[in-house]
Amino acid sequence: GAVVSQHPSRVICKSGTSVKIECRSLDFQATTMFWYRQFPKQSLMLMATSNEGSKATYEQGVEKDKFLINHASLTLSTLTVTSAHPEDSSFYICSAIGVESYTFGSGTRLTVV
Amino acid sequence: GQNIDQPTEMTATEGAIVQINCTYQTSGFNGLFWYQQHAGEAPTFLSYNVLDGLEEKGRFSSFLSRSKGYSYLLLKELQMKDSASYLCAVIGQAGTALIFGKGTTLSVSS
Repeated sequence: GAVVSQHPSRVICKSGTSVKIECRSLDFQATTMFWYRQFPKQSLMLMATSNEGSKATYEQGVEKDKFLINHASLTLSTLTVTSAHPEDSSFYICSAIGVESYTFGSGTRLTVV
Repeated sequence: GQNIDQPTEMTATEGAIVQINCTYQTSGFNGLFWYQQHAGEAPTFLSYNVLDGLEEKGRFSSFLSRSKGYSYLLLKELQMKDSASYLCAVIGQAGTALIFGKGTTLSVSS
């Protein structure tokens, strides 16, 4: 149990376009999801906490207008990287608190060219 | 503030034992996790400690001392496939996000 499905796993987009990443909790309801970003050879950095039915809480230094988070249902949270630039290229991963512990999505490798 | 420290890199040989240390200073403490992560993949759960002491699970053990803000992950009988990044993560306030250390890259050689 407690599976989080993240899609897409890889995406390449042109500079200036937007990319949407989805995370779904498959067998449990996730009132809260967390979004992380990981640059090469670095650790996971928390970007924001996504709460179902309310606005996300962003960490210091993370632009809320650039990284749009929507958590419209108990099983789906989305992260949209708007007007992507090459420096946004990174590994994005979501996490939710499942029945017993924290569960991670499989991650999305974003490359902006 | 929140601070989690662990060594950047470690090396070891097959069959050996390695200990990866983690010290933390967080506002609140509700448990400490160890994860293994291979490049480009999601972290894989290894262990969880919330009380002081040693938790053993096969070749992996994890220790916690809350009074010292200290934990370690012990890997025994190292195998080449254990080459990976090992992440120490702390839950500060209950129900909040895991806060990760920078990770320790372990290289196992034959």
